[in-house]
Amino acid sequence: DVKVTQSSRYLVKRTGEKVFLECVQDMDHENMFWYRQDPGLGLRLIYFSYDVKMKEKGDIPEGYSVSREKKERFSLILESASTNQTSMYLCASRTGGVQETQYFGPGTRLLVL
Amino acid sequence: AQSVAQPEDQVNVAEGNPLTVKCTYSVSGNPYLFWYVQYPNRGLQFLLKYITGDNLVKGSYGFEAEFNKSQTSFHLKKPSALVSDSALYFCAVRVMDTGRRALTFGSGTRLQVQP
Repeated sequence: DVKVTQSSRYLVKRTGEKVFLECVQDMDHENMFWYRQDPGLGLRLIYFSYDVKMKEKGDIPEGYSVSREKKERFSLILESASTNQTSMYLCASRTGGVQETQYFGPGTRLLVL
Repeated sequence: AQSVAQPEDQVNVAEGNPLTVKCTYSVSGNPYLFWYVQYPNRGLQFLLKYITGDNLVKGSYGFEAEFNKSQTSFHLKKPSALVSDSALYFCAVRVMDTGRRALTFGSGTRLQVQP
């Protein structure tokens, strides 16, 4: 069974704080993704990584950065949190194979005050 | 560019009745299509996918979806709804021929099954 875990289910931070969201997968997947989910907007891609130390911007990368130092771990960083970054953050991973299924973690609900 | 539309924010159906959650897509190239379900305060769970082959795809929990290339649709269906099917459903697409490695999601449809 594929398992994607996220370091926190709920986080409360203050404006201007640096925030780290961690994601770990245990299936040796090459590809990892960070999405944010907002009501009425679905899931929007922030960043993804297709290999260690490799990353590409998604649709809404502004205000975020990522780090992938090890294959199993993909971190999302909010350099200076703002209230408009209050959201649900979802991590996913996928093999590079034909079956192409993305597996999601449980999500981190972030509130920025 | 690729996009997905889920035209209904919410679908209401009585328990035991058939349900349909609609999805249309717009891509250049051959699509891979997916359905995911999200229960409250949980991540997304994979339901089913269309890659190639038979246009009718069967998935988890009795759900199925039909790929219709001419109508660019991939509607999710179930013959008999359960109260426990109440959740948020997302359709997603990826085009194999492009460099985009991530799925593009629709805005989601909330399914409410009444007892």
